[in-house]
Amino acid sequence: ETGVTQTPRHLVMGMTNKKSLKCEQHLGHNAMYWYKQSAKKPLELMFVYSLEERVENNSVPSRFSPECPNSSHLFLHLHTLQPEDSALYLCASSPTDREETQYFGPGTRLLVL
Amino acid sequence: AQKVTQAQTEISVVEKEDVTLDCVYETRDTTYYLFWYKQPPSGELVFLIRRNSFDEQNEISGRYSWNFQKSTSSFNFTITASQVVDSAVYFCALSSFKAAGNKLTFGGGTRVLVKP
Repeated sequence: ETGVTQTPRHLVMGMTNKKSLKCEQHLGHNAMYWYKQSAKKPLELMFVYSLEERVENNSVPSRFSPECPNSSHLFLHLHTLQPEDSALYLCASSPTDREETQYFGPGTRLLVL
Repeated sequence: AQKVTQAQTEISVVEKEDVTLDCVYETRDTTYYLFWYKQPPSGELVFLIRRNSFDEQNEISGRYSWNFQKSTSSFNFTITASQVVDSAVYFCALSSFKAAGNKLTFGGGTRVLVKP
């Protein structure tokens, strides 16, 4: 595997379900990010992790819970989501959390029923 | 606050035509980076180019070229002799030097449709 991978690619869940999105980067980077891309909004940064520590939390509802067990893996745990949370969730990584190029994964397309 | 504006929401061209995507940005920072990303239907954002605010040289890479003009806060992107595979949404983005967090501010994107 190369670059940034995300699983699953597609997910349908009910509002009472609990699910997790997984991201893995094979680039040796130390910073990882979660973004949300909705149909009618620009890309929104959700979380930033640098060396497994969260350095940014962009006022995201608590029903989204990130986890970064090491610098190569990032999870987004989902519980009691709302239909408006349906979106494309993109993971990215960069060498550090400073002004460097971010490389994105293919995204998980989430539908909340 | 930072802002990136891509006024064109959708552009439709016939193959082999040139297409120019506009990007205008706002920032109070004197040092910053500008980016272009391509998002094909598969969803992945593909990095195309990064320029820093000190380097106003235009750049050409194959059929792609970029025109950075600090005086007008613009970073426009031209695809020469477009091909069907260029059909995608293109995003312009801005990031500023910060202590931490590497925030990218994205424009709304321009959808390019290249017809055969």
